[in-house]
Amino acid sequence: AQTVTQSQPEMSVQEAETVTLSCTYDTSESDYYLFWYKQPPSRQMILVIRQEAYKQQNATENRFSVNFQKAAKSFSLKISDSQLGDAAMYFCAYRSANDKIIFGKGTRLHILP
Amino acid sequence: NAGVTQTPKFQVLKTGQSMTLQCAQDMNHNSMYWYRQDPGMGLRLIYYSASEGTTDKGEVPNGYNVSRLNKREFSLRLESAAPSQTSVYFCASMWGGGTSEQYFGPGTRLTVT
Repeated sequence: AQTVTQSQPEMSVQEAETVTLSCTYDTSESDYYLFWYKQPPSRQMILVIRQEAYKQQNATENRFSVNFQKAAKSFSLKISDSQLGDAAMYFCAYRSANDKIIFGKGTRLHILP
Repeated sequence: NAGVTQTPKFQVLKTGQSMTLQCAQDMNHNSMYWYRQDPGMGLRLIYYSASEGTTDKGEVPNGYNVSRLNKREFSLRLESAAPSQTSVYFCASMWGGGTSEQYFGPGTRLTVT
């Protein structure tokens, strides 16, 4: 069975600084997809970034980028120029080829003004 | 488009009572999901349906049943509620394939006393 591990329950970063959230996963599958979702206090789930496992190139969406290390089964999220609106729970998610999707336990990110 | 809708938004049950959580999506998505979210535990997959007519167990299926009534609707039933099922329940849907993202409902807060 696949697992997703987020080892940092909480993190803090100064506004305008850069922060990296870690995510590791375990799988024996070769075809899968990885995602980061953000959940603000409203509880709405918002997609931040996505990555296909077969692509070597790391995905980037504006201030958000990932460091995808397939051999190490690592998928970390880097947030540059942190803003107050980035404060939220961040979840790493793994999707199998059969569309089963599991999440990690999340990292609560605090932005310090 | 309403997106993903869930009913009810809040529910209080006594131990042993049964209830059904309803979920519907109007985006013609193929895959639908039920998760529960508990503090410190992230989102845990209860059941999912990768296509109309199919359902599969997730990480925590015990005590729950599901029905994929049609392509739009995916219900979650608690036959005999237990205090351990107190949680926030999220329904999600996804087109399927590639890097499709999940769309989440607003959640149902369920308390079992």
